[in-house]
Parts: sequence; structure tokens; C-alpha cells
Amino acid sequence: KAGVTQTPRYLIKTRGQQVTLSCSPISGHRSVSWYQQTPGQGLQFLFEYFSETQRNKGNFPGRFSGRQFSNSRSEMNVSTLELGDSALYLCASSRDSVIYGYTFGSGTRLTVV
Amino acid sequence: AQSVTQLDSQVPVFEEAPVELRCNYSSSVSVYLFWYVQYPNQGLQLLLKYLSGSTLVESINGFEAEFNKSQTSFHLRKPSVHISDTAEYFCAVSDGATDSWGKLQFGAGTQVVVTP
Repeated sequence: KAGVTQTPRYLIKTRGQQVTLSCSPISGHRSVSWYQQTPGQGLQFLFEYFSETQRNKGNFPGRFSGRQFSNSRSEMNVSTLELGDSALYLCASSRDSVIYGYTFGSGTRLTVV
Repeated sequence: AQSVTQLDSQVPVFEEAPVELRCNYSSSVSVYLFWYVQYPNQGLQLLLKYLSGSTLVESINGFEAEFNKSQTSFHLRKPSVHISDTAEYFCAVSDGATDSWGKLQFGAGTQVVVTP
């Protein structure tokens, strides 16, 4: 079966711009989580959605937002980009909760210049 | 909140030698524990997980990890590594509470470099 698909794979944006990243979970998976990965901070949790509702949120500023659609696809948006937002953004999906395990996508590499 | 410590940032190892990657987590009533592997320019792949039951869990590619509640550890081992095991390995934990929905707390990662 198809895995978690993230688009685009690479993005280059300018400071101050905004960006939208997309994630298509595995069919049947209703939980989608987002993580930011950087060399300095490692893997940090952004937020989790289940059935179009945000159930959990990490410690990121309000510039980071997300949503989930009725087909479980999810998007995350970062507004007013800063240089420090350069990172690999990973999406993970699960049937429901952690006990089912999370399957990660290959990520979107965002570079802010 | 949970925290995870991976004691080694990099582990060099010769091909066919054994390797152990250490992981300790902060204590909690109950935890779910995971090891993920990340190859260059890729996402994370689940290696194995501990939810409950037997404290020794195994993966299909020869890795195993042992849950030790008293020492709050979940070390990963492989008796004989291959060049293809060169990757970064992440230990992760969740306490399964409702305020932890979707959230895995990751360690900083251990880079394994296998040389011939």
C-alpha cells in the first residue's frame, strides 16, 4: 500500500514569505502529526490532527498552523518565514494513536534565504 | 513531560561487529518505546516498538531492544552489522496519555557508521 506522501520534497523561500506543505497519509489512517527536524534542535513535535480536529500542539509560535481535511490529508502553513525555519518537515500518520505506530513520510526540505 | 537521552552521538563500528545504542528515558507510570532509523535524505522508518508484554522486542532485520523498567532504558543491539546499517537511529517515547496525542518525544539521535 502507498506510504505517507509529502509534497513538495524541496522548497526555497525568502524571509517574510509564507509556505504551505502537504501530507497525504496512508489510506485508513486518521491521525496525522507534524515534526520539524533541525541539526540543532533535533526532532520537535509541531501538532497532531485526528478527524479534522487538532488534538495536540507543540511549543511553536502561532506562525505555524495546520489543518486536516475530511479525507485525512493535512497541510501545514508557516507565515512570515524566518531563517530559523529552515528545516526538514516530517509528517507521520497512524490509524489512531501511538500504539498503532507512526509511519513517516520522506519530508519536505524547506530552505529560507 | 517525557525526555529521552541517547548517550552516544556517533558510534563507529566495523562490518560484522556487534553494536549497542543506548537510550534512557525519564520515568513514568507506563511508556511506549520506539526505535526509528533514518537514512540520508529520507524520513524515519520504524525499527521496533515496545508497548507491553515481553521486555525483549525484535525487528525483522536483526535488531533487538530490551525494555528495562528499573533502569528506564531501552537499548538497541545488533550482533553483526552490515554496511547498509549506516544511518541515524532515534529512540522515542510516548506515555500514551491523552495530552500526548500524536506526540513522540525523540532523543537526539545516534549516528552509526559501519566501515569494512
